[in-house]
Amino acid sequence: DVKVTQSSRYLVKRTGEKVFLECVQDMDHENMFWYRQDPGLGLRLIYFSYDVKMKEKGDIPEGYSVSREKKERFSLILESASTNQTSMYLCASSYRQGNTEAFFGQGTRLTVV
Amino acid sequence: AQKVTQAQTEISVVEKEDVTLDCVYETRDTTYYLFWYKQPPSGELVFLIRRNSFDEQNEISGRYSWNFQKSTSSFNFTITASQVVDSAVYFCALSGKTSYDKVIFGPGTSLSVIP
Repeated sequence: DVKVTQSSRYLVKRTGEKVFLECVQDMDHENMFWYRQDPGLGLRLIYFSYDVKMKEKGDIPEGYSVSREKKERFSLILESASTNQTSMYLCASSYRQGNTEAFFGQGTRLTVV
Repeated sequence: AQKVTQAQTEISVVEKEDVTLDCVYETRDTTYYLFWYKQPPSGELVFLIRRNSFDEQNEISGRYSWNFQKSTSSFNFTITASQVVDSAVYFCALSGKTSYDKVIFGPGTSLSVIP
């Protein structure tokens, strides 16, 4: 079974803190994604990566950065957390070829106070 | 620009009723892919189906069926004889022809099946 694991299920951080969200997949997928999920807005793409050390901005990259040093790991970084970044963050991975489906982690609910 | 609309925000049905979740998409691409995902209360999105733009055949998988109509840019999802375990948020999604294209998700429809 494909497994996408996010390091934390719930996280509470203070405004201004640097926050790291970690995601690991075990299926040798080339593509990895970070989404943000908010009520009524669905999933919005923050960043994606189609190879090690490669990254592409999604629809809402402002205030975020990413790191992909190894194929299986994709990290989302909030440089200086703000209250409007309180949200559910979802990591996903997929094979590069064939536009196949994505496999998702269970999500990290981040609260910035 | 690509867009996915799921007009139904929340639906409630009584167990064993049939329910259809609507999905309307916009794209200028001639080749594209459509997806449905289910997000149960546990939070992890689960893939249900993928359809490419050249395959307009309807598909049935157990109690689930999908109706793809390019003429109306719709990809609707029907659950027959709904069960409590079908309670979840359902997302329709659209992507372009390459794996480098972004996947655009709709806002989701929250389905509650009441016993």
